[in-house]
Amino acid sequence: EIVLTQSPATLSLSPGERATLSCRASQSVSSYLAWYQQTPGQAPRLLIYDASNRATGIPARFSGSGSGTDFTLTISSLEPEDFAVYYCQQRSSPGTFGPGTKVDIK
Amino acid sequence: QVQLVQSGAEVKEPGASVKVSCKASGYTFTGYYIHWVRQAPGQGLEWMGWINPKSGGTNYAQKFRGRVTMTRDTSISTAYMELSRLRSDDTAVYYCASDLGKTDMTTAAYYFDYWGQGTLVTVSS
Repeated sequence: EIVLTQSPATLSLSPGERATLSCRASQSVSSYLAWYQQTPGQAPRLLIYDASNRATGIPARFSGSGSGTDFTLTISSLEPEDFAVYYCQQRSSPGTFGPGTKVDIK
Repeated sequence: QVQLVQSGAEVKEPGASVKVSCKASGYTFTGYYIHWVRQAPGQGLEWMGWINPKSGGTNYAQKFRGRVTMTRDTSISTAYMELSRLRSDDTAVYYCASDLGKTDMTTAAYYFDYWGQGTLVTVSS
C-alpha cells in the first residue's frame, strides 16, 4: 500500500503570507494526487486534482505541483478563510490520504 | 446546485449495524460514482469504498470487505452505506462524496468532488 506523508504537521503563518505544503508518496503515484481543505466541523473540499488542476470554483491563489513521489500545494497569499487542515490523497492505490497539515494563524 | 444530504446522527451498541443514507440532487445521480469516506474524532480521512449508481457495482477497501455494503435506489437518487458488526473504533463521521469521474468510465476517478455534510456514528454500550 502506498503511504503518504505530509510536512510540516503544523504551519504557523500570518494572513498575506505564502504557504508551502509538502506531500511525499512512498512510491510513485505519477500525477494522480489531489489536495483537500477541511475547516472545523465541515466536510473536506477538493482544491486540486491530478497534481496541478484546480477544481471548480477554487481561487487562483491555490496551486499544485509535482509528480512521482514529491508534491507541493502553494497558497500564494493566505486569506483568513484559508486557515484549515490540508490533506493530500492519491488514487493509484485507491483512496489513501495523508495525515494532514494544519495551517494556523501565527 | 449539487447537494448531497445525509441522514442524521446514530448511536449504536457494539455488534449492531448502521445504515447511512445520502440523497443527491442538482445533477444526474446515475452519472457519477459515489464514495464513502470516514473520519474518526480528531483523526484523518479513510476511504471505505464506492458504488456505481448506474450499474450498482461496488468496490470496497480491503479493510471493510465483509462488513460494509453499499447500495442505491435510483428512483429517489439516494445511496446507502451499511456497516455491520460495529466496534467502538468505528465511531466516526461518515461522509458520502461524488466522484469527479463519470460512471461511463470503467472505474472511478477516486477524486472526491462534492461531499455530504457528514453523519456521526457513535458506537458505545
